Amino acid sequence: EVQLLESGGGLVQPGGSLRLSCVASGFTFSNYAMSWVRQAPGKGLEWVSAFSGSGGITYYADSVKGRVTISRDNSKNTLYLQMNSLRAEDTAVYYCAKVEGLLHTLRSYFDYWGQGTLVTVSS
Amino acid sequence: EIVLTQSPATLSLSPGERATLSCRASQSVSSYLAWYQQKPGQAPRLLIYDASNRATGIPARFSGSGSGTDFTLTISSLEPEDFAVYYCQQRNNWPPAWTFGQGTKVEIK
Repeated sequence: EVQLLESGGGLVQPGGSLRLSCVASGFTFSNYAMSWVRQAPGKGLEWVSAFSGSGGITYYADSVKGRVTISRDNSKNTLYLQMNSLRAEDTAVYYCAKVEGLLHTLRSYFDYWGQGTLVTVSS
Repeated sequence: EIVLTQSPATLSLSPGERATLSCRASQSVSSYLAWYQQKPGQAPRLLIYDASNRATGIPARFSGSGSGTDFTLTISSLEPEDFAVYYCQQRNNWPPAWTFGQGTKVEIK
């Protein structure tokens, strides 16, 4: 059974930093691209970042580019999201999602999701 | 960047009725479109991929159709657990990005 467990969320002041983690199990982690998707309170889904299974290819949404770094440790089956210079508009539940399909193709979807971790940016 | 527009924003129906949700892309996405269901307090769940293929474990009452710019998610007979928000999603070619529609809420009438 595929499981994704996020952690690391919390309350942080504007301009602060936070690192989110996502531990994966139930599949061969290194074979799959992974992604972060967020959802602001009462709003829709917004893709944040993605990392290929191998080859180190990363993508970022324009809204977070330059402030966020995605990484992964395949030996620990863990995906990370380092978030810096946080703003109020970054307040959201952050979901970790497994990507089905190749990251560089149009045919890529999010087939499994974690339960999310809440990030609140406020003074 | 391709924009996905879902309609209606809210659909008020009774259990047993048929639900028809629409997703329109600002330019062709071929058949590379997915649908997700999200219930309050829960993570989204993949329902349909490649416009018309049901994901693992998804009941047959859910079906997807369409290609190019116009797509439809149909729930043939609503069960109580189907009342939720539904999102469509596609992967933009350039710049590389994944985009979602704004969602359609299916509520109990």
